[in-house]
Amino acid sequence: GAVVSQHPSRVICKSGTSVKIECRSLDFQATTMFWYRQFPKKSLMLMATSNEGSKATYEQGVEKDKFLINHASLTLSTLTVTSAHPEDSSFYICSAQNLRLAGVYNEQFFGPGTRLTVL
Amino acid sequence: DAKTTQPPSMDCAEGRAANLPCNHSTISGNEYVYWYRQIHSQGPQYIIHGLKNNETNEMASLIITEDRKSSTLILPHATLRDTAVYYCIVREYNTDKLIFGTGTRLQVFP
Repeated sequence: GAVVSQHPSRVICKSGTSVKIECRSLDFQATTMFWYRQFPKKSLMLMATSNEGSKATYEQGVEKDKFLINHASLTLSTLTVTSAHPEDSSFYICSAQNLRLAGVYNEQFFGPGTRLTVL
Repeated sequence: DAKTTQPPSMDCAEGRAANLPCNHSTISGNEYVYWYRQIHSQGPQYIIHGLKNNETNEMASLIITEDRKSSTLILPHATLRDTAVYYCIVREYNTDKLIFGTGTRLQVFP
């Protein structure tokens, strides 16, 4: 089946530093990837949609200058949390979608998540 | 906002069928219903999806009402490893976005 990986699985950083999280589709090409964040005991909240070769589309209330997304290839998207603060501590999850064929819905496959802790 | 509502929690005895309901009364004609589950501190796992016909795969069955305003996910023989949060999601047609609601926390007990 389709596999999505994330790196790192967990990261601890100091306040004010930037952290980059990678999302890779290992055995399929993903024209679209999505980024979510999840706080403890809460549901996933969609942050942005990332399309290969174009700018990401951010959900309302998500700061695009704080959460930089790059989707440079069909297998890799990165999320950079810039100038991280303790309130950015969260579980960040990506999902990747196969190339969409006309009239056919393709499943989204999720990565295992990255736990970010900002001290 | 999520287009689905689910009960916050359910219990099920091991070996019995788990029936998880979901309401999606504002679903549009070309929008699919997707089910995912999330085990603690992991990424969501795809289970099944459907448009209007009932669907079955190796994991579960999906029953969608004729008016498409609600659906039920059925795990035919629940095991302890099925303990998870189950999300019913209406996938946006034009954007493919999955907007997660609060889900149902299923507890399978021995």
